[in-house]
Amino acid sequence: EDQVTQSPEALRLQEGESSSLNCSYTVSGLRGLFWYRQDPGKGPEFLFTLYSAGEEKEKERLKATLTKKESFLHITAPKPEDSATYLCAVQAESNYQLIWGAGTKLIIKP
Amino acid sequence: KAGVTQTPRYLIKTRGQQVTLSCSPISGHRSVSWYQQTPGQGLQFLFEYFSETQRNKGNFPGRFSGRQFSNSRSEMNVSTLELGDSALYLCASSLEGQGSEQYFGPGTRLTVT
Repeated sequence: EDQVTQSPEALRLQEGESSSLNCSYTVSGLRGLFWYRQDPGKGPEFLFTLYSAGEEKEKERLKATLTKKESFLHITAPKPEDSATYLCAVQAESNYQLIWGAGTKLIIKP
Repeated sequence: KAGVTQTPRYLIKTRGQQVTLSCSPISGHRSVSWYQQTPGQGLQFLFEYFSETQRNKGNFPGRFSGRQFSNSRSEMNVSTLELGDSALYLCASSLEGQGSEQYFGPGTRLTVT
């Protein structure tokens, strides 16, 4: 069964303290892996798409990487405005619809 | 450019009633997907419409239905509401569908009492 697991469920960091969020997936052939950010009371906002192992993408303080079993979202020197829930979703080759992880709630304290 | 809009933003209904939610996608986007988000289940896919045709459907009962108009605006309908239908309903528009960058609306918060 296709599955996506995100860890940790919640992460509290001090401003400037770098860390990583994990998205593990089990699918029969990966078509694409997506990262979204969701702020309270809002819909998710697209961050990255990764398609193949070894691929990396960056945006400001965020960097997403992909292996054959998992993806990491690295946050470098985070600021309080990076606080949000980060969602990972996977699209399998055999199934068009996205499978979403439960998300990681990130809190950055000033 | 204008983002995805959803109306209404908040809704309170009674069990057994029906409800219609509306979504206006970004201009030029032909794909509209609907999701249900709850604290326990996370984001779950309801269905996707592309150029007025339902292209994909999630595992929800037939009480959940939708449609898309020629201007790409979409509506979803839930009949015979149950308490478990209380959730945030999100609409997302994109050029090509779920496999491409999706732009989400702010959602409609539905409470069933």
